[in-house]
Amino acid sequence: AQKITQTQPGMFVQEKEAVTLDCTYDTSDPSYGLFWYKQPSSGEMIFLIYQGSYDQQNATEGRYSLNFQKARKSANLVISASQLGDSAMYFCAMREVMNRDDKIIFGKGTRLHILP
Amino acid sequence: KAGVTQTPRYLIKTRGQQVTLSCSPISGHRSVSWYQQTPGQGLQFLFEYFSETQRNKGNFPGRFSGRQFSNSRSEMNVSTLELGDSALYLCASSLASGVAKNIQYFGAGTRLSVL
Repeated sequence: AQKITQTQPGMFVQEKEAVTLDCTYDTSDPSYGLFWYKQPSSGEMIFLIYQGSYDQQNATEGRYSLNFQKARKSANLVISASQLGDSAMYFCAMREVMNRDDKIIFGKGTRLHILP
Repeated sequence: KAGVTQTPRYLIKTRGQQVTLSCSPISGHRSVSWYQQTPGQGLQFLFEYFSETQRNKGNFPGRFSGRQFSNSRSEMNVSTLELGDSALYLCASSLASGVAKNIQYFGAGTRLSVL
């Protein structure tokens, strides 16, 4: 079963608007971490933000925030005041810590286009 | 602090050949993971090395192998290349292993084309 689902293959957003990228996950492990990465056309994956399953508050990093809804198994990325440089692929990922198989699993990604 | 360095950036090989890709992690990071990224399959985990030991392995054939040296640098090898091995190969390093908050930092990748 797919563990990370990103339902938006592509999005077009006007510059300076806020953007929400959806991510839902599936796990039975009570301890897990959720990550968002940005991949520009250059190929490098850039770490954006982390949310732990036991964290009480939603994570924030500058213009990035993670809307963590544990009961719904949802971890949406919110980008405030989007910029042209935000155009890229965005990946949601999860690491489970159950047993020893704790590799990171990535979603299929959302391609974000910021329009001037 | 220098980031994760992958060499070479681009590689062209022919079917049947073998290839070795290199990854130098961030200083102090002891865990190195490798991923294959293709348009069809997305990002797929290959393997993770921690302190010179393979800790995790993805679902890839034995043609894909790796190793880690005492200085944490890692190499991955693909033998008997197939057309389907054409992909972006990403290396990621992290401080630890086996914990939820284990942030991986990626290199720019090696783009392998198999002709």
